[in-house]
Amino acid sequence: QQPVQSPQAVILREGEDAVINCSSSKALYSVHWYRQKHGEAPVFLMILLKGGEQKGHEKISASFNEKKQQSSLYLTASQLSYSGTYFCGTELTGNQFYFGTGTSLTVIP
Amino acid sequence: EAQVTQNPRYLITVTGKKLTVTCSQNMNHEYMSWYRQDPGLGLRQIYYSMNVEVTDKGDVPEGYKVSRKEKRNFPLILESPSPNQTSLYFCASRQTVYAETADTQYFGPGTRLTVL
Repeated sequence: QQPVQSPQAVILREGEDAVINCSSSKALYSVHWYRQKHGEAPVFLMILLKGGEQKGHEKISASFNEKKQQSSLYLTASQLSYSGTYFCGTELTGNQFYFGTGTSLTVIP
Repeated sequence: EAQVTQNPRYLITVTGKKLTVTCSQNMNHEYMSWYRQDPGLGLRQIYYSMNVEVTDKGDVPEGYKVSRKEKRNFPLILESPSPNQTSLYFCASRQTVYAETADTQYFGPGTRLTVL
């Protein structure tokens, strides 16, 4: 049930772009994206519902392919503050929630 | 300010000694949930609650109990903690899972539990 994220880790220079992928073997009701900094709670970035996609933040957007049960998070012109671990979260029925294992993103000057 | 609070933030206990971790939200949210986070395993859902008196098992419920007597509170109970329950625990809340529009899930600050 746990979605698979790729890559597991990525290192970027400031200003570079990144794509993080999330894939599920089950039909999805929605996909969430979160960022967690070390020692802190996950912070909600955005949610994508069946039939649409939603942009939650400037320069950070996501897509949701319902047929493939896949979602991708796009980070453009990365900033140092983007560093952290990114998790996708998936809902199968709208009740139970499954997180991916995370993608560690490090942005260096 | 929208907030999910958890207490305690840190707890060291011994095997078999019952403990409760409290969780409270001030947003009148219907849906609340508990997660544990372990290295390499990510966040896993323990229990969730759709509303008062409605709770259900998540992915890893064994060894845990919850209750939802009031809308704002969702305590996590470990009746007989064991070392494999050493973990970082997060409580979270959302308005509802039935909303057709974007629905933020808010997390509490976390409780780091060590069971010796």
